[in-house]
Amino acid sequence: GAGVSQTPSNKVTEKGKYVELRCDPISGHTALYWYRQSLGQGPEFLIYFQGTGAADDSGLPNDRFFAVRPEGSVSTLKIQRTERGDSAVYLCASSHVGSNIQYFGAGTRLSVL
Amino acid sequence: AQKITQTQPGMFVQEKEAVTLDCTYDTSDPSYGLFWYKQPSSGEMIFLIYQGSYDQQNATEGRYSLNFQKARKSANLVISASQLGDSAMYFCAMREALAYNTDKLIFGTGTRLQVFP
Repeated sequence: GAGVSQTPSNKVTEKGKYVELRCDPISGHTALYWYRQSLGQGPEFLIYFQGTGAADDSGLPNDRFFAVRPEGSVSTLKIQRTERGDSAVYLCASSHVGSNIQYFGAGTRLSVL
Repeated sequence: AQKITQTQPGMFVQEKEAVTLDCTYDTSDPSYGLFWYKQPSSGEMIFLIYQGSYDQQNATEGRYSLNFQKARKSANLVISASQLGDSAMYFCAMREALAYNTDKLIFGTGTRLQVFP
């Protein structure tokens, strides 16, 4: 079984552009999480999906950020009108129902110029 | 309020020696979970060890053990017989009570461990 896969591994964009970051969780994992890690910091929670629905989106910083998981597997994090402050590594994790353990992907490094 | 505190920005240890990475936490919930993750330069967060707040025994996983002192709200990671491949960032994290309907993890700022020959 493959681990959590995130694409692209690196994304460079210009201020004001729209970006999509993709996460492919471990097969069979119903829970999926997005975190953002700024330089020198620990990851910060963005949003948590249980199945197709967002069970907790309290970490999304503003309405430019949106995430979907339409079929309960792959998730896409969407950022509109990117700002330089959005530059960070975006990490995705998944976990099996009833498990405490979240398994992380290698992240997408987003650079907004 | 900061919920996870890692006061050691960097630590050095000689190969084959043991090292302790400190973590203190703050919560008013009686039910919580504590985690340690390793982040090598590749960026992926690798799960190391988990301790539940009601677990009677300290958690162990191979060379990793968690020194859980509930009254002091500390959950230090002990790595025995350090190896060069242990050089990485180490993050302590907490998940609060299930009643909040969220499984989000709250992370500390990390400790960079460097193992030298």
